[in-house]
Amino acid sequence: DAGVIQSPRHEVTEMGQEVTLRCKPISGHNSLFWYRQTMMRGLELLIYFNNNVPIDDSGMPEDRFSAKMPNASFSTLKIQPSEPRDSAVYFCASSFQGWEGYTFGSGTRLTVV
Amino acid sequence: QQQVKQSPQSLIVQKGGISIINCAYENTAFDYFPWYQQFPGKGPALLIAIRPDVSEKKEGRFTISFNKSAKQFSLHIMDSQPGDSATYFCAASSVNSGGSNYKLTFGKGTLLTVNP
Repeated sequence: DAGVIQSPRHEVTEMGQEVTLRCKPISGHNSLFWYRQTMMRGLELLIYFNNNVPIDDSGMPEDRFSAKMPNASFSTLKIQPSEPRDSAVYFCASSFQGWEGYTFGSGTRLTVV
Repeated sequence: QQQVKQSPQSLIVQKGGISIINCAYENTAFDYFPWYQQFPGKGPALLIAIRPDVSEKKEGRFTISFNKSAKQFSLHIMDSQPGDSATYFCAASSVNSGGSNYKLTFGKGTLLTVNP
């Protein structure tokens, strides 16, 4: 199994631009999580899906952030418009039924200049 | 509100020594306590986990000690090796209202450096 696949690995964009981060979870996993990691705030849960349905998006910082999961093998996290304070590493993780053993992807390092 | 407090922020240990990282939680609904290990440029990876029905779990050189009454748990790394140098995160989760999902809340991490 290739694990959780995230793309791109690195993204540098200008303030005000739209950014789309992508995630392919492990086949058979039906829970998907988006986390953001910064030095100041650590790992923060942004949103999670169960069976492609958003269950809790209370961690999404503001309306500029949106996430979708159109099918069991793909999810996107979009930021529009992006701001410098959005600079962070964004991780996607998946699990079966949300049970123990989250598997994280390698992350997307986003830099907004 | 920080629901899982982790300490220390950083830790330096000599090779062969014992590394100890502590976490405290507030939410009594938490019922699953994993530790994750993260190397630079990688995502966190599950290291070891415990449920509150036991007070200790050991896997190789890694041991979790759990104190339910104090709402504290800790990671002990015996015979620490330079390859253990990484950031360690404690976490906690509980089942959501639907009864089927675990949502992990992480501590802020401990940067462990093991000197050769």
